[in-house]
Amino acid sequence: DTAVSQTPKYLVTQMGNDKSIKCEQNLGHDTMYWYKQDSKKFLKIMFSYNNKELIINETVPNRFSPKSPDKAHLNLHINSLELGDSAVYFCASSQAGLTNTEAFFGQGTRLTVV
Amino acid sequence: DAKTTQPPSMDCAEGRAANLPCNHSTISGNEYVYWYRQIHSQGPQYIIHGLKNNETNEMASLIITEDRKSSTLILPHATLRDTAVYYCIVRVAGGGTASKLTFGTGTRLQVTL
Repeated sequence: DTAVSQTPKYLVTQMGNDKSIKCEQNLGHDTMYWYKQDSKKFLKIMFSYNNKELIINETVPNRFSPKSPDKAHLNLHINSLELGDSAVYFCASSQAGLTNTEAFFGQGTRLTVV
Repeated sequence: DAKTTQPPSMDCAEGRAANLPCNHSTISGNEYVYWYRQIHSQGPQYIIHGLKNNETNEMASLIITEDRKSSTLILPHATLRDTAVYYCIVRVAGGGTASKLTFGTGTRLQVTL
């Protein structure tokens, strides 16, 4: 039973389109994250939510809008996609504040903008 | 969170111990050392973490020097499936809901036959 699951696994779309990536965790965690891994393999945090409340927003363009309908889900909607948005996006979850505990990551969504 | 320094790449023969070093000379007393790895095309995976004592679990051992300025992750019997990028992360214990994992460039471990 997958702990953190993302859909879709692959997404190919044209510039200017709007797309969403979904994430669900069944670990009972109250904090969820979105990370972006670019072509140079650098992993960088984008957002975190705790109990449906936005906690971290790392100066991500406002074309990216996370939405958390409940603490088990954190979706990422991206408007007006650009070539530079091509990357692998990882969702993760943890107990609040990562206090002496670990984060669990999904398998990633490879987004290709053409 | 303290900055870490890791070698960009290492090789290890299968069946041998893989020792991955990490330098964190500016670590504070309330900061933990975490290790994650990322196998190709997968999400990062937690391995182990510690504060000042050495730690061991089913995956690896973590040796932290007495002054806590460096640590070593040990995979006792490396297999081909351990080929991955290994990240050493230092972060404050607690930190509230704003805590996050900050990944560096890691060490690419190649296990060979």
